[in-house]
Amino acid sequence: DQQVKQNSPSLSVQEGRISILNCDYTNSMFDYFLWYKKYPAEGPTFLISISSIKDKNEDGRFTVFLNKSAKHLSLHIVPSQPGDSAVYFCAASASPRNAGNMLTFGGGTRLMVKP
Amino acid sequence: EPEVTQTPSHQVTQMGQEVILRCVPISNHLYFYWYRQILGQKVEFLVSFYNNEISEKSEIFDDQFSVERPDGSNFTLKIRSTKLEDSAMYFCASLRGQYNEQFFGPGTRLTVL
Repeated sequence: DQQVKQNSPSLSVQEGRISILNCDYTNSMFDYFLWYKKYPAEGPTFLISISSIKDKNEDGRFTVFLNKSAKHLSLHIVPSQPGDSAVYFCAASASPRNAGNMLTFGGGTRLMVKP
Repeated sequence: EPEVTQTPSHQVTQMGQEVILRCVPISNHLYFYWYRQILGQKVEFLVSFYNNEISEKSEIFDDQFSVERPDGSNFTLKIRSTKLEDSAMYFCASLRGQYNEQFFGPGTRLTVL
C-alpha cells in the first residue's frame, strides 16, 4: 500500500540553505496533509499542515506547498539549522471534518543539516 | 505544554503472552488513536476511538487487539497473545477534534521473544 510516498529516503543540506522534502500521494480522497518530524526514540511531532483548499501554508521557517493536480506536496525549511536534522514524515487524511479518520504516512525522509 | 504520555517505554514479553500498553492522552482531547511502526517500516494506523467506541480500525487490528478507555484518562491497547511480528514501536495519539493534527506520545517499544 503506497498511497503516500516519500521517494527520497535521505537528504543532506548545508546549514543556512533551503531544505526541500517531497511527498506524493495517489488517493484523490485525501484532502488534508500534514508534516511530522521525528527524532530517534521519540514520537512524531506535528510541524505544519495544509488543507486541499489551499496551495501554500507558512509557519516561520516552514512552508508547505500543495499541488493537487500533481498530487504532490513539499515542505520547505529555510534557513535550515542543525537542529532540524531528523526524520520527516508526510501524512494524509480524508475528510478532516470527520476527525476520526486515520492518518496515512509516507516512509519518511531523513534530513541531515551540516554545520 | 500538554503532551501525550505512554507507559512503559519498553516492554519485553514472551510470544503468546498478553501485554497492555498504556497512554494518557491530552486532557481536553476527544479522539484517540494507536499506530505502530515496525523497525524500518512506515508508521501504520491501527485503530481510532471516539465516544467510548472504536470509530475505525485497520486490517492489522484483528481479534488479538483491543482498546479501552477504562477511567476517562487512560487509553489502553491490549494484545491478547503476542506474536513475534508484533514487535514494533507503538504510538498513541490524540486529537482535540477541530482539525486533524494528531499529537503523538513518545511510544512504547514492544519486543516479543
